[in-house]
Amino acid sequence: QVQLVQSGAEVKKPGASVKVSCKASGYTFTSYGISWVRQAPGQGLEWMGWISAYNGNTNYAQKLQGRVTMTTDTSTSTAYMELRSLRSDDTAVYYCARLVVVAATPDYFDYWGQGTLVTVSS
Amino acid sequence: SSELTQDPAVSVALGQTVRITCQGDSLRSYYASWYQQKPGQAPVLVIYGKNNRPSGIPDRFSGSSSGNTASLTITGAQAEDEADYYCNSRDSSGNHLGVVFGGGTKLTVL
Repeated sequence: QVQLVQSGAEVKKPGASVKVSCKASGYTFTSYGISWVRQAPGQGLEWMGWISAYNGNTNYAQKLQGRVTMTTDTSTSTAYMELRSLRSDDTAVYYCARLVVVAATPDYFDYWGQGTLVTVSS
Repeated sequence: SSELTQDPAVSVALGQTVRITCQGDSLRSYYASWYQQKPGQAPVLVIYGKNNRPSGIPDRFSGSSSGNTASLTITGAQAEDEADYYCNSRDSSGNHLGVVFGGGTKLTVL
């Protein structure tokens, strides 16, 4: 069965960086994309970007351009999301999701990881 | 980027039918997908494409679209359907390979 298992909770100070991992299993990793979505406490879902596990191409939300990097390691079927220059408003649960890609364009998210809480506090 | 607008809250009596809507210019070009999220849990896909349900999603969930509005309909709402529901679609302005989410609708089953 398809599973996305994320790394554990993190506590970071403002200005630091965080790197969250998402290990996929149960499917051919390179046949899909991986997207990252975050949710601040009590708020809605915010799309952060996605990466093609097939060729490594990325597309980021404009709001996060320059602070976020998404990568994949196809040898271990793992995706990573690094967010730099953390601020208090980056405190959120970060989800990875398997992205169905059609003709190199994003379609829908059919499986989600369990979420990783990232807390930014001095 | 495009925006998708949802009503913040909707309520429905047990066993009745409820429609949750999502409005935005991108929906004139792209289908919406719908996600259910219960407290403390990750979102779950309930509808994608024209009107497709993933395996395991009850057939009381259905989707439709007209113009700039997509709708998620629950026919015969159950207590376990009480949750937040989010729509999303591709971005139709600026970043055409990007994705946007609606703000979410909190569904209460009375």
